[in-house]
Amino acid sequence: RKEVEQDPGPFNVPEGATVAFNCTYSNSASQSFFWYRQDCRKEPKLLMSVYSSGNEDGRFTAQLNRASQYISLLIRDSKLSDSATYLCVVTPGDNFNKFYFGSGTKLNVKP
Amino acid sequence: NAGVMQNPRHLVRRRGQEARLRCSPMKGHSHVYWYRQLPEEGLKFMVYLQKENIIDESGMPKERFSAEFPKEGPSILRIQQVVRGDSAAYFCASSPPEGGGSYEQYFGPGTRLTVT
Repeated sequence: RKEVEQDPGPFNVPEGATVAFNCTYSNSASQSFFWYRQDCRKEPKLLMSVYSSGNEDGRFTAQLNRASQYISLLIRDSKLSDSATYLCVVTPGDNFNKFYFGSGTKLNVKP
Repeated sequence: NAGVMQNPRHLVRRRGQEARLRCSPMKGHSHVYWYRQLPEEGLKFMVYLQKENIIDESGMPKERFSAEFPKEGPSILRIQQVVRGDSAAYFCASSPPEGGGSYEQYFGPGTRLTVT
């Protein structure tokens, strides 16, 4: 079983839509969680860390569900510039320095 | 404040040659990580280094691949006797020293290796 699994998409949504991605992880001892964004042929860029209590940054909201072992990312009022691949990242147990990446969920925001 | 720097950005090697990829971490960062991304796939952890120490190399292929982070200079990922299957994007990331409260990793622009 993969450490991290994501729906590859693509998610095709109109501008202004709300879209949500989920990501499941296999190691119940995982401690740190992140969402990264990767544009085509570019490096991953940190979008936000995911905290146990959930966190919000502008139009982006991340949540963690430890019981079901998934994290989610909600994007409100989608912009054309949100089109990218969104990568879920989980660390194994108490090893905070080793990142496991999901394969990514592709988002296309259409005008 | 310069970000993570990698060079070269593109590297073409013929089968059997050696590839050397360089990474300079962000200023103040002492942890370096190497990842490989095959086309249409996610990033796969290869190795985690601190200055003069390999901390975790569990993702490194057993043969032909090596990494170092010397006291002075950039971290280097070395691939000997490259094969076509080594063609990929290799990303380096860095993070601040432990105790800083943050385990976020910041990525360089990557080196795209093509083996012909």
